[in-house]
Amino acid sequence: DAGVTQSPTHLIKTRGQQVTLRCSPKSGHDTVSWYQQALGQGPQFIFQYYEEEERQRGNFPDRFSGHQFPNYSSELNVNALLLGDSALYLCASSHKSGYQETQYFGPGTRLLVL
Amino acid sequence: DQQVKQNSPSLSVQEGRISILNCDYTNSMFDYFLWYKKYPAEGPTFLISISSIKDKNEDGRFTVFLNKSAKHLSLHIVPSQPGDSAVYFCAASVTGNQFYFGTGTSLTVIP
Repeated sequence: DAGVTQSPTHLIKTRGQQVTLRCSPKSGHDTVSWYQQALGQGPQFIFQYYEEEERQRGNFPDRFSGHQFPNYSSELNVNALLLGDSALYLCASSHKSGYQETQYFGPGTRLLVL
Repeated sequence: DQQVKQNSPSLSVQEGRISILNCDYTNSMFDYFLWYKKYPAEGPTFLISISSIKDKNEDGRFTVFLNKSAKHLSLHIVPSQPGDSAVYFCAASVTGNQFYFGTGTSLTVIP
């Protein structure tokens, strides 16, 4: 039973560029959440996708956008990269039950913006 | 606005002894709490959860305690093992809404 997978594992970009990160949820899960984890900090919620729509959004600018596909996989896009976007980007999946949902994380994509 | 706080950045414990990791929160509406363990170069791994209708939940060596009046939860690991050395994050949410994470506590279990 595959867990949450993310690609790529590492990425180096320069300021102003655009990046796309990918996530495949755990088998049986239909909801994907994206987090940004800066060095020495806890994960910060970016947004959540369910039924191919953004359902919730954290305090992140519109440069951060996403997509969910019919197979529940998801992409995170970041435009006009800033140095401060350098972080570990984590994807977490869960099953939308209408009750308390436990999120399971992937290994993350480490993004470095130069 | 840090709604979930872990005030101890690090903790060292002897192997076999109890590890106690603490977490405080400010939002009284939070009703679901989780603990995650994170090794370097890996994503957080789910450990244990607790609903606000309970004050204790156990799973093997791991026990989470919730004190709603104090807005405080703790994770007890007994006995501690060297493989428990990792960064531990607590997270909280209002059911159906986003999770808020603490900044983590780095646990070192000394053999």
